[in-house]
Amino acid sequence: NAGVTQTPKFQVLKTGQSMTLQCAQDMNHNSMYWYRQDPGMGLRLIYYSASEGTTDKGEVPNGYNVSRLNKREFSLRLESAAPSQTSVYFCASSPREGRFPQHFGDGTRLSIL
Amino acid sequence: GQQVMQIPQYQHVQEGEDFTTYCNSSTTLSNIQWYKQRPGGHPVFLIQLVKSGEVKKQKRLTFQFGEAKKNSSLHITATQTTDVGTYFCAGCPSGDSWGKLQFGAGTQVVVTP
Repeated sequence: NAGVTQTPKFQVLKTGQSMTLQCAQDMNHNSMYWYRQDPGMGLRLIYYSASEGTTDKGEVPNGYNVSRLNKREFSLRLESAAPSQTSVYFCASSPREGRFPQHFGDGTRLSIL
Repeated sequence: GQQVMQIPQYQHVQEGEDFTTYCNSSTTLSNIQWYKQRPGGHPVFLIQLVKSGEVKKQKRLTFQFGEAKKNSSLHITATQTTDVGTYFCAGCPSGDSWGKLQFGAGTQVVVTP
């Protein structure tokens, strides 16, 4: 009964490096989301996928790309990491968009030097 | 920008005291959700309110949705150290039930024994 699984849990990158954050859910949810959390800023939506095959920008999409690989998996890619992208990244899923509770993964703590 | 505002941003409470945190929206909401994030953890869904004036209780926590559906409150009685964490509210703009959930920046609660 894993829920939402994120990998890796921690990562340190150098400026300019690229990496992909992985997220998978086993609840047969249609919608998936990527957030970043910075002190005092709450949760800011980066990208979301309302259903398999669709993705859309959230509040802070610049510097990121996403792929909805299948219904279970939704990845977030940083093509050229910048120090401003140092943050905690959360993946979440819900049965559908909107008025459905979101289930969050444990997060990825990413530091960019 | 963020349309859901939470006050206070930070709340320091003595164990055993009561406190209230507030969530205000610039637009009418179709629903309000509350989440709790323990230090170092991920947000966990607590409850959802959808009706004007609705009040729900979970043990020592009382949640209220305003009559105009533009504000909400979370009241905790007899605060315990287990209440430590950040409480987020989130809602969907009215008439947009399938839209993106908008999160507030959260109220960080610190409890002193």
